[in-house]
Amino acid sequence: EDQVTQSPEALRLQEGESSSLNCSYTVSGLRGLFWYRQDPGKGPEFLFTLYSAGEEKEKERLKATLTKKESFLHITAPKPEDSATYLCAVLAAGGTSYGKLTFGQGTILTVHP
Amino acid sequence: DTEVTQTPKHLVMGMTNKKSLKCEQHMGHRAMYWYKQKAKKPPELMFVYSYEKLSINESVPSRFSPECPNSSLLNLHLHALQPEDSALYLCASSVQGSTGELFFGEGSRLTVL
Repeated sequence: EDQVTQSPEALRLQEGESSSLNCSYTVSGLRGLFWYRQDPGKGPEFLFTLYSAGEEKEKERLKATLTKKESFLHITAPKPEDSATYLCAVLAAGGTSYGKLTFGQGTILTVHP
Repeated sequence: DTEVTQTPKHLVMGMTNKKSLKCEQHMGHRAMYWYKQKAKKPPELMFVYSYEKLSINESVPSRFSPECPNSSLLNLHLHALQPEDSALYLCASSVQGSTGELFFGEGSRLTVL
């Protein structure tokens, strides 16, 4: 069974204090790993797709990286507007989860001014 | 602004009511999804339509009935719901099925009394 585990569950940072969120996964053949951002009461917003180990993607203060067992979302010099829940999800290449995203539980990020 | 539009944003219904949630996208996407999300939990997949045909049904109770009238529209018909069905219902679309790059709407907040 495909599994996605995110840590920490919650992270509180001061503005400008860089940190990383972790997403570890087990999947029967990885078709892709995806990062989403979700603001309270809203739908998730797609951020990045990573397909293979060693791949990196960047967008403003966010950088996502991928290894064979985990992904990191690095946040550099965060601002209060980066506060949100960050969701990681995997898409399997086969098995019973084929074609379906498996989400982690999310990391709630709070950035204080 | 999201390009997936969901109506209504809020819905309160009794257990004997019949109501519908509606979703519309004009991005030319050929796959559309219904997800259910409870507080502090990740989205749970309910249904997937690919090229207007139901391709995935995650063993959802029959009191939830999806409908895809055309490639731009997705409905979720609700009947005889239970209080535990109260949740945020999210619609999403993607260029095609079997992808993790989903575009979500802002959701319909459903309360069942």
